[in-house]
Amino acid sequence: DQQVKQNSPSLSVQEGRISILNCDYTNSMFDYFLWYKKYPAEGPTFLISISSIKDKNEDGRFTVFLNKSAKHLSLHIVPSQPGDSAVYFCAAEGFFTSGTYKYIFGTGTRLKVLA
Amino acid sequence: EAQVTQNPRYLITVTGKKLTVTCSQNMNHEYMSWYRQDPGLGLRQIYYSMNVEVTDKGDVPEGYKVSRKEKRNFPLILESPSPNQTSLYFCASSFKLQGRDNYGYTFGSGTRLTVV
Repeated sequence: DQQVKQNSPSLSVQEGRISILNCDYTNSMFDYFLWYKKYPAEGPTFLISISSIKDKNEDGRFTVFLNKSAKHLSLHIVPSQPGDSAVYFCAAEGFFTSGTYKYIFGTGTRLKVLA
Repeated sequence: EAQVTQNPRYLITVTGKKLTVTCSQNMNHEYMSWYRQDPGLGLRQIYYSMNVEVTDKGDVPEGYKVSRKEKRNFPLILESPSPNQTSLYFCASSFKLQGRDNYGYTFGSGTRLTVV
């Protein structure tokens, strides 16, 4: 049962345009959401995060939007650059009522920015 | 340089031969975790540790053990590896994340394990 879903395995965008990567989660106990970028042969690197008390967080070209009622978050990259070509993972974190702690990643979206 | 160091980067082993993948971080992070990455499945958490001597199971702990005897090290132990444990493994560390804006994991470079 995939609790964090990235339904688009891949995305191609022209350089300079906006890239929008989407992520859905199923459990409202998650209260912190993150995006990571991964290049081949490297570990993921942290990009940007948002806590559930906010609906937007911005850092340079990267903006994360959170829609709690829809259990949906998105990452916007504006403008997209060829160096942004990578696999992007969203992640959700939270302490559940059972006392367990979960930090779950989605399956990733491969972004290709075309020059 | 602040980093998470995993060793080895590549390992081919035979079924049943015990192995350990080491992980060390130099950032004084409390939280450490192991993930495996498989095609189509993303990153799945194996075990995590909130602090020294505190470990807990993630989503796919079967066949793995961990220990956290000191803050900087978090080795992953496969007592009797099987072919279904062939995967790309990542160690990660962080300060405690709750309520901390714009702070995520620092990941190691990965260990590609093949069990034949």
